[in-house]
Amino acid sequence: GQQLNQSPQSMFIQEGEDVSMNCTSSSIFNTWLWYKQDPGEGPVLLIALYKAGELTSNGRLTAQFGITRKDSFLNISASIPSDVGIYFCAGRKETSGSRLTFGEGTQLTVNP
Amino acid sequence: NAGVTQTPKFQVLKTGQSMTLQCAQDMNHNSMYWYRQDPGMGLRLIYYSASEGTTDKGEVPNGYNVSRLNKREFSLRLESAAPSQTSVYFCASSLRGFETQYFGPGTRLLVL
Repeated sequence: GQQLNQSPQSMFIQEGEDVSMNCTSSSIFNTWLWYKQDPGEGPVLLIALYKAGELTSNGRLTAQFGITRKDSFLNISASIPSDVGIYFCAGRKETSGSRLTFGEGTQLTVNP
Repeated sequence: NAGVTQTPKFQVLKTGQSMTLQCAQDMNHNSMYWYRQDPGMGLRLIYYSASEGTTDKGEVPNGYNVSRLNKREFSLRLESAAPSQTSVYFCASSLRGFETQYFGPGTRLLVL
């Protein structure tokens, strides 16, 4: 079953605000990924994290690989309307080969 | 490059009918995956193919079969569709198992 708990489930924010979301698990992961899905499209990779404690940025997005290897965080600064979509975290365990486990997603709405 | 393509985009089936979802990638990737996405559930892995000639079950394989036809193509078959298989199906591929997965646009399936 689902092993990643992603929160919040949804967010409604004003343009220009910062956004934070996170993903937690009781299991240890050796890779954390953050994807964004636009309506009617497939997920697109935003950031990949490979080491505990790693902090990686992609433009206005910053993600961190938690020290315990059981969590990850995504921050979006100065949100804009095109940030609207569903954000998914995904993790890969050392024992699961190439298989990813996905969180339930965070639906982000940005009001202009 | 078209990336990952999926056909059809939409399909309506009656319970008990069969169909095959097609997926092709033109990135010379070795690994391919089939996921289903249901509201509030994130993406769940149905089957994957680590390399041409191999297939393995994922988290939710019951009711599905797959064929890795060649390096480019990976099909998903529903032999006797059930309403519980109403979902959005995504195909993905990666160069190797541990690398970034690229997703297709999805197939929206409704089983009545």
